[in-house]
Amino acid sequence: QSALTQPASVSGSPGQSITISCTGTSSDVGTYNYISWYQYYPGKAPKLMIYDVSNRPSGVSNRFSGSKSGNTASLTISGLQAEDEADYYCSSYTSSTRVFGTGTKVTVL
Amino acid sequence: EVQLVESGGGLEQPGGSLRLSCAASGFPFSSYEMNWVRQAPGKGLEWVSFISSSGNIIYYADSVKGRFTISRDNAKSSLYLQMNSLRAEDTAIYYCAKRGSSGSRQYFDYWGQGTLVTVSS
Repeated sequence: QSALTQPASVSGSPGQSITISCTGTSSDVGTYNYISWYQYYPGKAPKLMIYDVSNRPSGVSNRFSGSKSGNTASLTISGLQAEDEADYYCSSYTSSTRVFGTGTKVTVL
Repeated sequence: EVQLVESGGGLEQPGGSLRLSCAASGFPFSSYEMNWVRQAPGKGLEWVSFISSSGNIIYYADSVKGRFTISRDNAKSSLYLQMNSLRAEDTAIYYCAKRGSSGSRQYFDYWGQGTLVTVSS
């Protein structure tokens, strides 16, 4: 149950696009299209942003999009806004358990 | 409106026990699988445990297997986590999380605000 690998930090200016990668193995990301992404402010309830690789829940801005290739999933935030500054975690189903990524701090410059 | 409210956290000594509760409302609790997820200070999110809607299927992370027990009371719309043999590394904010409602359902669509567990002498 090793954590999925994410970059520790990603930054961008308002209006730019950024992409956060989430690398796993053939036992998790590479096999299942059950990738989800969460926005997290420490001490608050995490918020679901993307599920099943690329689906957005109702109410989530279409500036957030997800994709997957091989063992790596990605979250792209386009038109970066100040309110997007937060921690982001990916998660994958893996053989009856779940695993999260190491987390990425997004900074809006 | 879906609400998940955790309680039961606090300060406990190493080797001690705590029981966390999660009160659910706003959805048919008995129809949904539930999970516990935690975040230790300065660390990332870590999945802890899963329980099926009826309670007959249960999974644990290796880090808590044999020490923690997940359970539920559908009549009370409540989820529980009995934590025994606590260790310093169990110090974390513990969140209950509801399984997703559409697609694969292999995600968490609602989370509580969390309850802080501190294990220290």
